[in-house]
Amino acid sequence: QKEVEQDPGPLSVPEGAIVSLNCTYSNSAFQYFMWYRQYSRKGPELLMYTYSSGNKEDGRFTAQVDKSSKYISLFIRDSQPSDSATYLCAMDEPGRRALTFGSGTRLQVQP
Amino acid sequence: KAGVTQTPRYLIKTRGQQVTLSCSPISGHRSVSWYQQTPGQGLQFLFEYFSETQRNKGNFPGRFSGRQFSNSRSEMNVSTLELGDSALYLCASSLTGESGSPLHFGNGTRLTVT
Repeated sequence: QKEVEQDPGPLSVPEGAIVSLNCTYSNSAFQYFMWYRQYSRKGPELLMYTYSSGNKEDGRFTAQVDKSSKYISLFIRDSQPSDSATYLCAMDEPGRRALTFGSGTRLQVQP
Repeated sequence: KAGVTQTPRYLIKTRGQQVTLSCSPISGHRSVSWYQQTPGQGLQFLFEYFSETQRNKGNFPGRFSGRQFSNSRSEMNVSTLELGDSALYLCASSLTGESGSPLHFGNGTRLTVT
């Protein structure tokens, strides 16, 4: 079993929809949680960063971490065609200095 | 500020050859990490360097090696290439490289082994 599980999709939604992306993990030592966006032929770009549990909002993006359930989410409001990309969750634990990534969810926002 | 620069963007090599990939981090960033991305395994950590010292290494064979120079630029080397080494190799930099420190990725080097 992988340390981080993520549904690969693809997830197809109409423009303007609310998108929910999720990851589950098994390593209770993870304390740092990130979401990256990767466009085709590009490197991952950091979207959201959360330390420990809680919510964080940045514009149309909201990240949630529930450590008791070992479950993290990324919500995208008013989705746009430009949001079409692969979304990767990533996690790290204190002292490790190495991200463990989910497999990525491919999102397609239809105009 | 310029982002992370990786060269070359594309490489085609033959089994048994060796290859060197280069990475220039964001100015002022002292930590450089390398990741391998494949369709089957996703993104996997290779190693992390800070001030020319390797601080962490992922679960890859010894054919994979790297180094960091005094100007923080980094190279990774893969010797005796195998077909399974075909992947996108991503370099990322951060200020300190400490756990939770945001990583800034380059656009990668696409290596194809034939």
